Amino acid sequence: KAGVTQTPRYLIKTRGQQVTLSCSPISGHRSVSWYQQTPGQGLQFLFEYFSETQRNKGNFPGRFSGRQFSNSRSEMNVSTLELGDSALYLCASRYGDNSPLHFGNGTRLTVT
Amino acid sequence: TQLLEQSPQFLSIQEGENLTVYCNSSSVFSSLQWYRQEPGEGPVLLVTVVTGGEVKKLKRLTFQFGDARKDSSLHITAAQPGDTGLYLCAGFSGAGSYQLTFGKGTKLSVIP
Repeated sequence: KAGVTQTPRYLIKTRGQQVTLSCSPISGHRSVSWYQQTPGQGLQFLFEYFSETQRNKGNFPGRFSGRQFSNSRSEMNVSTLELGDSALYLCASRYGDNSPLHFGNGTRLTVT
Repeated sequence: TQLLEQSPQFLSIQEGENLTVYCNSSSVFSSLQWYRQEPGEGPVLLVTVVTGGEVKKLKRLTFQFGDARKDSSLHITAAQPGDTGLYLCAGFSGAGSYQLTFGKGTKLSVIP
């Protein structure tokens, strides 16, 4: 069974640009969550999608958005990039609410 | 906002030594999870503890959930270099909560 796949693995963007990250969950998993990981703040919850609906959102500005498609694949978009957005962005999928999270290996975003 | 405090932040020990990592909160969690993350990879779930006072063993790793479900510990016996990594605790606050709150992690280095 294939794991959670995130693309691309690495991204370098300039301040003010926008970026889209992609996540393909494990087959059969309908829930996809996104997390931002930085050395100073650790792992912080961005949002979760379940069956194409966002059902929870963390404390991030509106520049961070996401969506989920009918095949459960998810994308995350960050507009007007800031230097502080440099981080490892992790996607995780799970089958149901009581199921464990399965993380991808992340997308390393560097904003210059 | 529910916070999970992990200690110590960094730990460097010799192979064969024992160690304990702590995860504390002032809030009650319905369950706590422990993950290990290696460089360049996403976190991998080690264990979930649900019942106050619960103890779970995974080979040389022993996990305990506090009676009041506000804290947890991870004890490693006879640490090996393969145990090196970032150990993260994470908790769900209750029924209907889809958001996992993570601690900032303990970075463990086991020196051969």
